[in-house]
Amino acid sequence: LAKTTQPISMDSYEGQEVNITCSHNNIATNDYITWYQQFPSQGPRFIIQGYKTKVTNEVASLFIPADRKSSTLSLPRVSLSDTAVYYCLVPPTWGATNKLIFGTGTLLAVQP
Amino acid sequence: GAVVSQHPSRVICKSGTSVKIECRSLDFQATTMFWYRQFPKQSLMLMATSNEGSKATYEQGVEKDKFLINHASLTLSTLTVTSAHPEDSSFYICSARAVGLGSADTEAFFGQGTRLTVV
Repeated sequence: LAKTTQPISMDSYEGQEVNITCSHNNIATNDYITWYQQFPSQGPRFIIQGYKTKVTNEVASLFIPADRKSSTLSLPRVSLSDTAVYYCLVPPTWGATNKLIFGTGTLLAVQP
Repeated sequence: GAVVSQHPSRVICKSGTSVKIECRSLDFQATTMFWYRQFPKQSLMLMATSNEGSKATYEQGVEKDKFLINHASLTLSTLTVTSAHPEDSSFYICSARAVGLGSADTEAFFGQGTRLTVV
């Protein structure tokens, strides 16, 4: 399993763009990169997933360099409701029995 | 996306009693479900992997006789905390891998979690 490293916490203000970077140096060729968001007392919620270059959806963008050893989750114009813990995971790409292991996550605190 | 329903959302029980938590995949079949425990200000810790029709696989340090897992159908897995004690108080979360539904067959869906308080 690819180990991930991300900052423990980040602070931001409403309206700013927030970029959270995750390192996954031993990512395997077939591995995808997935980001989840978790609010207090709720289960994690899928945000975005990507393999290379850039992926964008209605919530966020994910930037992945050519070597794929890191990835950056970009949240445009954050609001107070974006305050949450963000987890970067690199789950195995095959076999439903493969484990999904969570790292420490990044606690994003958005202030007014 | 696919929905995983977890019940109850919160439960309070007396020390020494048992509590059952249900996890259902509502619109897909989950051959494998995962159970996590999360303490305050900590990350999710994987407890066990639940396979339909077979015994669960527990992570190191997790007591299989205390945390009974049953995965009797493709849409239901249960976690029973037996002889609960205050130190078992935690947030329990289930998850299911939706093979074939995600863009890369790797997307996992999570239940809402269950807040267990043992008094």
